[in-house]
Amino acid sequence: EAQVTQNPRYLITVTGKKLTVTCSQNMNHEYMSWYRQDPGLGLRQIYYSMNVEVTDKGDVPEGYKVSRKEKRNFPLILESPSPNQTSLYFCASSPRTPPSQYFGPGTRLTVL
Amino acid sequence: AQSVTQLGSHVSVSEGALVLLRCNYSSSVPPYLFWYVQYPNQGLQLLLKYTSAATLVKGINGFEAEFKKSETSFHLTKPSAHMSDAAEYFCAVTADSGAGSYQLTFGKGTKLSVIP
Repeated sequence: EAQVTQNPRYLITVTGKKLTVTCSQNMNHEYMSWYRQDPGLGLRQIYYSMNVEVTDKGDVPEGYKVSRKEKRNFPLILESPSPNQTSLYFCASSPRTPPSQYFGPGTRLTVL
Repeated sequence: AQSVTQLGSHVSVSEGALVLLRCNYSSSVPPYLFWYVQYPNQGLQLLLKYTSAATLVKGINGFEAEFKKSETSFHLTKPSAHMSDAAEYFCAVTADSGAGSYQLTFGKGTKLSVIP
């Protein structure tokens, strides 16, 4: 089944404790991206990647890191999480540009 | 730079009535435009997209949208609302920002309620 998977789906952590949210797609898509969704703000793009080893900042990249070492994986790294990063995070992938994306199920992150 | 404005954070319609969700965009280069739907506790699903072909775009579930360059709009419509259409709808824009790089920008969303 074609899909985008994210892990974990739910995470509660404390300020400053490094964490990684994994994202994987099995559709051989070139384009992948991360978003955060907050009430009243819609979705905001954090980082995106046009292909392996190519990443670009989105609208809200501060406090996040990404890497794209393999085509299928695009992990989101929070080196030192803070409470303002509490949010619902979505990973997405797309087969071509312009990107019309397939979204993962979301990861709800709470930083205490 | 690009941006999206969705007019109305909440829209209520009666079952069987016309659905109209408004989206205006700003882009310095020719844009590509999308509408997504999000049902409660789910991810986003693509409804339709405009990629510089026909200006009237038909999508899934009976929705359609018309690209109007002169008005910088991409409003979403459906002739007759169903209860199952109750969800949050997001308009999004992207464009080639150089070297084939595409940043995607979403609007803040419009929550559609359908009244029986």
